[in-house]
Amino acid sequence: EPEVTQTPSHQVTQMGQEVILRCVPISNHLYFYWYRQILGQKVEFLVSFYNNEISEKSEIFDDQFSVERPDGSNFTLKIRSTKLEDSAMYFCASSDLGQGSEQYFGPGTRLTVT
Amino acid sequence: GENVEQHPSTLSVQEGDSAVIKCTYSDSASNYFPWYKQELGKGPQLIIDIRSNVGEKKDQRIAVTLNKTAKHFSLHITETQPEDSAVYFCAASSNYQLIWGAGTKLIIKP
Repeated sequence: EPEVTQTPSHQVTQMGQEVILRCVPISNHLYFYWYRQILGQKVEFLVSFYNNEISEKSEIFDDQFSVERPDGSNFTLKIRSTKLEDSAMYFCASSDLGQGSEQYFGPGTRLTVT
Repeated sequence: GENVEQHPSTLSVQEGDSAVIKCTYSDSASNYFPWYKQELGKGPQLIIDIRSNVGEKKDQRIAVTLNKTAKHFSLHITETQPEDSAVYFCAASSNYQLIWGAGTKLIIKP
């Protein structure tokens, strides 16, 4: 069964450093998403991406964040200058259709900013 | 914006009994309501979903009901088994983003 994969599973970085989290969505899916979950809190939407453009983003997704589909298989989330409060579990998801369609999630990347 | 509330935060049931988790939402424009199961160390797994043009949907031991008027929806698991132990999340959406509940830790007692 096809699945979303994410690398690395755990990333430790120092405050102020740039990090790139990587995702390989399900191959025939066209819509891609990033969510995050701070320990003990709700899962929060960050951004959705379709046709090489951001289709929707939340207030959390400020200028420090960017997304890219550098090739036909990868989807990345970059945090330019990490802050302590960026420590969280980051989940990538993909869907074959847009609004109101099933989103399938990867296992997550745990980001720890020290 | 949309807000989703989920109850209870923890639910402990005897193996074989039923479990019910409830969610309410605030935005009447929401039209898609998925439920996810998350096991330790894994990402959320979609287990069932319902759209606003349907009042109930069932898949084997799992069912979801939706009351649009009251803006609430529920997950029902019957004949619970040890492998049902996990954290369950409800979510609501009217666009691309899913707005999540806080999660329910379901514990199945042997």
